[in-house]
Amino acid sequence: AQSVTQLGSHVSVSEGALVLLRCNYSSSVPPYLFWYVQYPNQGLQLLLKYTTGATLVKGINGFEAEFKKSETSFHLTKPSAHMSDAAEYFCAVRNTGGFKTIFGAGTRLFVKA
Amino acid sequence: GAGVSQTPSNKVTEKGKYVELRCDPISGHTALYWYRQSLGQGPEFLIYFQGTGAADDSGLPNDRFFAVRPEGSVSTLKIQRTERGDSAVYLCASSLQLAGQETQYFGPGTRLLVL
Repeated sequence: AQSVTQLGSHVSVSEGALVLLRCNYSSSVPPYLFWYVQYPNQGLQLLLKYTTGATLVKGINGFEAEFKKSETSFHLTKPSAHMSDAAEYFCAVRNTGGFKTIFGAGTRLFVKA
Repeated sequence: GAGVSQTPSNKVTEKGKYVELRCDPISGHTALYWYRQSLGQGPEFLIYFQGTGAADDSGLPNDRFFAVRPEGSVSTLKIQRTERGDSAVYLCASSLQLAGQETQYFGPGTRLLVL
């Protein structure tokens, strides 16, 4: 069975600091991996996704994530946090042979001025 | 272009009542998904459709929940005999086709409160 673990339900960084949101997954087959962002009172928006090929994936708003098979991880990073990055972030996994998406519990990012 | 829309945005009902939640996917999207998001949790898969047929309804919690998509576009999630534990945000998403790598586009959700 697939599962997703996001380490840290809340992460707080200062504006301009590195953002690191951790995600580990469990999957019996090669996965597709996703990061979504949810701003208050808005729907989930795709930040980036890994399907095949290059393991370092670049997304919108300066975010990127690296698929590390040996560590079963897909951590999300951004070199310099902006106040507008404050939101909830969800990591998700889907089997390459399936269509059901499993989401993590989410990490709320706070950005301090 | 228009995104995924969901109506109503908020629904308050009493325990035991019947509710219907509507989802309008992006035009041309053949795949449609329903999720439920409880407070402090990530979205939980309920059901997905390819065209008019439910391809996988294994996430529906029990037989009080049912979803239809009769013409392959708009979908309705129906909940009978609502319980307080059904209170959550119900999310709908659509994608161009039913394929693992396809991007799902989410609507803003319907917030259901069962009193």
